[in-house]
Amino acid sequence: AQSVTQLGSHVSVSEGALVLLRCNYSSSVPPYLFWYVQYPNQGLQLLLKYTSAATLVKGINGFEAEFKKSETSFHLTKPSAHMSDAAEYFCAVSEAGTALIFGKGTTLSVSS
Amino acid sequence: DTAVSQTPKYLVTQMGNDKSIKCEQNLGHDTMYWYKQDSKKFLKIMFSYNNKELIINETVPNRFSPKSPDKAHLNLHINSLELGDSAVYFCASSQIQGGDAEAFFGQGTRLTVV
Repeated sequence: AQSVTQLGSHVSVSEGALVLLRCNYSSSVPPYLFWYVQYPNQGLQLLLKYTSAATLVKGINGFEAEFKKSETSFHLTKPSAHMSDAAEYFCAVSEAGTALIFGKGTTLSVSS
Repeated sequence: DTAVSQTPKYLVTQMGNDKSIKCEQNLGHDTMYWYKQDSKKFLKIMFSYNNKELIINETVPNRFSPKSPDKAHLNLHINSLELGDSAVYFCASSQIQGGDAEAFFGQGTRLTVV
């Protein structure tokens, strides 16, 4: 069965610092992988997705993620954090034809 | 023009009541979902539904039932509400057939049972 593990329920960075949010997945078939962001009292917005094309995926707001099959990882990075990046981030996996299964989320805090 | 819309946004009700949450998508997607987000922000799939098949998460109580009048709508009906049902419920849709399963989410319905 597919599953997602997000390492670190809370990550704190300073404005301008590197953001690294970790995600490892388990899937019996080549997966589709997603990162979503949730701002307070809002729905989920797609940041980026991996669907078996390029392993380095660029998303919105300067975020990117790299699919590493050998490590079963799909970590999210951003070179320079901005205050507006503070939010909840979810990694999700889907095996073709199935609903997204989400990790438990990582709260990103950004301090000035 | 909102892609996935759900109503109401807030719902406060007493234990034992029956309530419904409505969801509509205008993306032409073939599959719709209901997710529950608990107080720890964990998102759990409750149902997925397309024209052919309803898939129910086995952990969902049978007090919860999805109802789909047509391909663009998937409503959630809840009977005999309990305190533990308090959560945020998200509707979503995606294109599974020929698509990449990217899910588009509504803004959520915050259900409070008192």
